[in-house]
Amino acid sequence: DIEMTQSPSSLSASVGDRVTITCRASQSISRYLNWYQQISGKAPKLLIYAASSLQSGVPSRFSGSGSGTDFTLTISSLQPEDFATYYCQQSHTTPTFTFGPGTKVDVK
Amino acid sequence: QVQLQQSGPGLVKPSETLSLTCGVSGYSISNGYYWGWIRQPPGKGLEWIGSIHHSGNTYYNPSLESRFTLSVSTSKNQFSLKLSSVTAADTAVFYCARALWFGNLWGFDSWGQGTLVTVSS
Repeated sequence: DIEMTQSPSSLSASVGDRVTITCRASQSISRYLNWYQQISGKAPKLLIYAASSLQSGVPSRFSGSGSGTDFTLTISSLQPEDFATYYCQQSHTTPTFTFGPGTKVDVK
Repeated sequence: QVQLQQSGPGLVKPSETLSLTCGVSGYSISNGYYWGWIRQPPGKGLEWIGSIHHSGNTYYNPSLESRFTLSVSTSKNQFSLKLSSVTAADTAVFYCARALWFGNLWGFDSWGQGTLVTVSS
């Protein structure tokens, strides 16, 4: 089974900060990696698919990169609505999927 | 625009079977894609439970016990989840979602509103 890890598990940041979250797969998953945002009490929202493609309607301050086992999600300038938990998810073993444990971004 | 609407009880007694349904509007399940269930215990992360294809083929998280059953009704344009012999450890928010093909991989692009299911007598 492919295991996903994320770091950090949580971080504190201020509006305007550049935020970077890392996701690592236990084996190579090429670019079969998605990122989701979950605001507290809400359903997750797909932000980025295939490691770096922005889902329709998602602001351009979000970006993703990486391939193989190491991936990053970057928020170039954190906005108030971006305080949330972020999850990576591998789709290499489709139609089975694995989520990472999540990274909570809260107010500094 | 596809919309997923979940229905089912929010309280289930221990040892009973949890049943949830996800109604789909704005898209016909018969046209394809995978339809999945994800759960989130209180204060914890997301866990993929399983997915079902419109053909009825099912795929389950191998790390979970085999108490889950997924089914699909193309005539009603909905898919369902059953979890048997529930315990308090099964208390969670359950989400249904559509897995969309992005040309080279699948991603959950549309989600239901979530159902908090509490297991308690």
